[in-house]
Amino acid sequence: ETGVTQTPRHLVMGMTNKKSLKCEQHLGHNAMYWYKQSAKKPLELMFVYNFKEQTENNSVPSRFSPECPNSSHLFLHLHTLQPEDSALYLCASSQVGTGGRISYEQYFGPGTRLTVT
Amino acid sequence: AQTVTQSQPEMSVQEAETVTLSCTYDTSESNYYLFWYKQPPSRQMILVIRQEAYKQQNATENRFSVNFQKAAKSFSLKISDSQLGDTAMYFCASLSGNTGKLIFGQGTTLQVKP
Repeated sequence: ETGVTQTPRHLVMGMTNKKSLKCEQHLGHNAMYWYKQSAKKPLELMFVYNFKEQTENNSVPSRFSPECPNSSHLFLHLHTLQPEDSALYLCASSQVGTGGRISYEQYFGPGTRLTVT
Repeated sequence: AQTVTQSQPEMSVQEAETVTLSCTYDTSESNYYLFWYKQPPSRQMILVIRQEAYKQQNATENRFSVNFQKAAKSFSLKISDSQLGDTAMYFCASLSGNTGKLIFGQGTTLQVKP
């Protein structure tokens, strides 16, 4: 596998279900991100992990719970979602420079199309 | 706060012709980077071109080039010799060199017609 991979590619879940999205990057990067892409809206940054530490939580509801066990893997745990959470969830990775300065572009996975019924 | 604005929701161009996509941004930082990303119908977001704000020279990648006007905070993308495979949604994005936050514009859907 190369680049950034995401599984599953498609997910349909009920509002009472619990599911997880998985992201894996094969680029040797040390920062990973979750974005939400809804129709007719700009991409919204959800979470940022630098060196496995969460450095950004962009006011995301607690029904979304991220987990970053190492710099190559990122999960998004989902529970009691709402229909408005239906969207494309994109994972990305980048290389963070020393001293917290970030200077490199982000590479994206193919996304998980989530439908909440 | 960073903002990115793409004022053209949809555009079309004939194959082999040239098209320019507009983008304006706003940031109070001196250390930032600008990008154009392409998202074809298959949904994989691909980096097209990047520009470091401290560089005056406009970036070029094969048929893709930018017109970076720093004072005007404008960052347009020019696609020369358009190909059918260029059909996609294009996103302009600004990245803070200090926080690493990447802010996207609303996107422009480009249709290349045969």
